[in-house]
Amino acid sequence: QLQLQESGPGLVKPSETLSLTCTVSGGSISSSTYYWGWIRQPPGKGLEWIGSMYYSGSTYYNPSLKSRLTISVDTSKNQFSLKLTSVTAADTAVYYCARQLFPYYFDYWGQGTLVTVSS
Amino acid sequence: DIQMTQSPSTLSASLGDRVTITCRASQSISSWLAWYQQKPGKAPKLLIYMASSLESGVPSRFSGSGSGTEFTLTISSLQPDDFATYYCQQYNSYWTFGQGTKVEIK
Repeated sequence: QLQLQESGPGLVKPSETLSLTCTVSGGSISSSTYYWGWIRQPPGKGLEWIGSMYYSGSTYYNPSLKSRLTISVDTSKNQFSLKLTSVTAADTAVYYCARQLFPYYFDYWGQGTLVTVSS
Repeated sequence: DIQMTQSPSTLSASLGDRVTITCRASQSISSWLAWYQQKPGKAPKLLIYMASSLESGVPSRFSGSGSGTEFTLTISSLQPDDFATYYCQQYNSYWTFGQGTKVEIK
């Protein structure tokens, strides 16, 4: 059974960089069928797609976040990562990683991790 | 950007009720639409893809319909496990979600 697990700091200071990693188990991140994505959800609010990437390094970023965003992959560890720079309180959210049947929907999700931006 | 608008935002219903949630796209997205269910503190769960295809393992009381700009998610007979928030998501141009519809107990 495919599983995804987010990891990273739960607290980030304003203006600093938010870094998260998603570890995939029960399947290969190098599958030709799938992309791997990040989605976030501010407390009490809806879902926002952040970005998606293919194991080869091809990426799609939300235009509203593109200038601050980097998504990368480490196939040797079956992991992919998110870096969001210059964070503000508006970036406080539960961050989910997910498998994406590209270019369509997200069929497997991690449990999510809350990241709070605060000094 | 393609905007997705769900209605209603909150829906109060009783066990056994037939429930319908609507999702409208700001421009045509053909049938490139998915529906998710989310319970408090949990990740979203895929229910429907391609507007009307039921994901494996999802009960048959869930169904989806529509194309173009108007879509519906129907629960034929509301069960206790169905009280949750439901989101639509388009995948015609990038990926955007509706704001969610909370189904609560009447």
